[in-house]
Amino acid sequence: GESVGLHLPTLSVQEGDNSIINCAYSNSASDYFIWYKQESGKGPQFIIDIRSNMDKRQGQRVTVLLNKTVKHLSLQIAATQPGDSAVYFCAETGANSKLTFGKGITLSVRP
Amino acid sequence: DAGITQSPRYKITETGRQVTLMCHQTWSHSYMFWYRQDLGHGLRLIYYSAAADITDKGEVPDGYVVSRSKTENFPLTLESATRSQTSVYFCASTVGGPYGYTFGSGTRLTVV
Repeated sequence: GESVGLHLPTLSVQEGDNSIINCAYSNSASDYFIWYKQESGKGPQFIIDIRSNMDKRQGQRVTVLLNKTVKHLSLQIAATQPGDSAVYFCAETGANSKLTFGKGITLSVRP
Repeated sequence: DAGITQSPRYKITETGRQVTLMCHQTWSHSYMFWYRQDLGHGLRLIYYSAAADITDKGEVPDGYVVSRSKTENFPLTLESATRSQTSVYFCASTVGGPYGYTFGSGTRLTVV
């Protein structure tokens, strides 16, 4: 079937390397940021989140960094695996619970 | 089974027809959302609902209608489908705030 990743920027990494996916957000009033992973034919899946009063949060093999000064968010994936190949979206939200998504980046892992 | 389900999974309709996409969640989440996703784009919010009988427009509401008579259901209706509404539609729900946002598997709609 069609891939939602077509026409999106693509990051290609070697299996085992670390990946860094970047996102610029627009609303300085957002107080919560989330990274989602979307595989072909599926809905977005939660990866990790961070509140606006933090600048770093770590999960299993993933780290999210937040720089509010330049409104920049990044997702670091350690020891990237073939199963990490997907489209990645950042999203921001505030008190109204509405998520606003970035355009997404396709991560392609080379064996 | 618990979760959020969308139906149908795939739909082909003709221009001008009315079509309804269904969304059902079993968690009694207060908030429900409809997003559309087009090739090369992220997800854009169509409509959302903070509770039964409370709905509000999102970023791209034109041509769509929603209702929420019961907490668990949030149908999305295209009153007169147009080719520009060919897209993948995702429903999502959350208990409130930014936590526990869960997405359905999507409905791929083609308008011919």
